[in-house]
Amino acid sequence: QKEVEQNSGPLSVPEGAIASLNCTYSDRGSQSFFWYRQYSGKSPELIMFIYSNGDKEDGRFTAQLNKASQYVSLLIRDSQPSDSATYLCAVIRGSARQLTFGSGTQLTVLP
Amino acid sequence: NAGVTQTPKFQVLKTGQSMTLQCAQDMNHNSMYWYRQDPGMGLRLIYYSASEGTTDKGEVPNGYNVSRLNKREFSLRLESAAPSQTSVYFCASRVGAQETQYFGPGTRLLVL
Repeated sequence: QKEVEQNSGPLSVPEGAIASLNCTYSDRGSQSFFWYRQYSGKSPELIMFIYSNGDKEDGRFTAQLNKASQYVSLLIRDSQPSDSATYLCAVIRGSARQLTFGSGTQLTVLP
Repeated sequence: NAGVTQTPKFQVLKTGQSMTLQCAQDMNHNSMYWYRQDPGMGLRLIYYSASEGTTDKGEVPNGYNVSRLNKREFSLRLESAAPSQTSVYFCASRVGAQETQYFGPGTRLLVL
């Protein structure tokens, strides 16, 4: 079992719709969870982080964490073509606080 | 602030050649990291440095060496490049109290 798993996609949604990206992790001791966005040929950039169970909202983005189910998700409301990218879920684990990444979900927002 | 910078942007090597990838950050961050990214495999940690003067292996260290030259700079060396090391290499840094990592623009390496 991979430590962090994501559906690779591709996921396609129409402009204006809600995009839902999902991630599961295997280490119950994980404390911190991150969503990065990566445009083709570019480096990952942080969208959101979440530490506590529940929802965290930032503009059109909502991160959801359920530690009991070892599940973290990212919702993108009012999706725009500029949201088309690969979204990487990452988890902090270990005493060295290393980031472990999922393989990413490719999102395409269709105009 | 330039953030995290990496050189070179692109490099083509022949099998057996050596090279050093350079990374520098101007954010006064304590921790620095080297990752490689391959299609379908996400980012994998090669080496990291929790603070100046320390380095540790990550998930995929074989074939690589690192040097934390000072607080700003963290270099990655390939002593004898192999085609399996063809990848995109990212450097990242993190300030001690926070856990967010900031990434450089990447180095695209092709080993023939």
